[in-house]
Amino acid sequence: QKEVEQNSGPLSVPEGAIASLNCTYSDRGSQSFFWYRQYSGKSPELIMSIYSNGDKEDGRFTAQLNKASQYVSLLIRDSQPSDSATYLCAVNIDTDKLIFGTGTRLQVFP
Amino acid sequence: KAGVTQTPRYLIKTRGQQVTLSCSPISGHRSVSWYQQTPGQGLQFLFEYFSETQRNKGNFPGRFSGRQFSNSRSEMNVSTLELGDSALYLCASSRQQNEKLFFGSGTQLSVL
Repeated sequence: QKEVEQNSGPLSVPEGAIASLNCTYSDRGSQSFFWYRQYSGKSPELIMSIYSNGDKEDGRFTAQLNKASQYVSLLIRDSQPSDSATYLCAVNIDTDKLIFGTGTRLQVFP
Repeated sequence: KAGVTQTPRYLIKTRGQQVTLSCSPISGHRSVSWYQQTPGQGLQFLFEYFSETQRNKGNFPGRFSGRQFSNSRSEMNVSTLELGDSALYLCASSRQQNEKLFFGSGTQLSVL
């Protein structure tokens, strides 16, 4: 079992819709969770971090964490074509290694 | 505030050679992590340094090594290059361990 798993996609949503990106992880002791966005040919940039169960909102982005289910998700409201990118979930494993999923490619079409 | 700086941006080497990549973290950041990114495998963790000590290591062969200097700058070295080492090598820094990472632009290594 991979330590951090994501559906590779592509996830295609129309402009203005909600995009839902999901991630599961294997280490029950994980405490830090991050979502990064990576445009083609660019390096990853941080979108959200979340440390406690529940929801955390930042603008159009909402991160959701459920430690019991070992599940973290990212919702993007009012999706725009400029949101088209690969979204990487990152989780700290063994308390101090930040491990990335392989990413979900999101396509937002006009 | 300057971001994470990686040099060189592009590198072409042949099999059997060795290569050294450099990373300067954001000022005040003491943790530096290295990742290898390939289309098939995604971002693979190489190692992490904090205060000149390697704190964590990923599942890469001993040909991959690194170090961190007292000014937090870091280098990684790959010896006896193989074709499969062709990848984007990303360096990321954070203030402390387990905090959000800020990535450099990466070094694109091509092994011929």
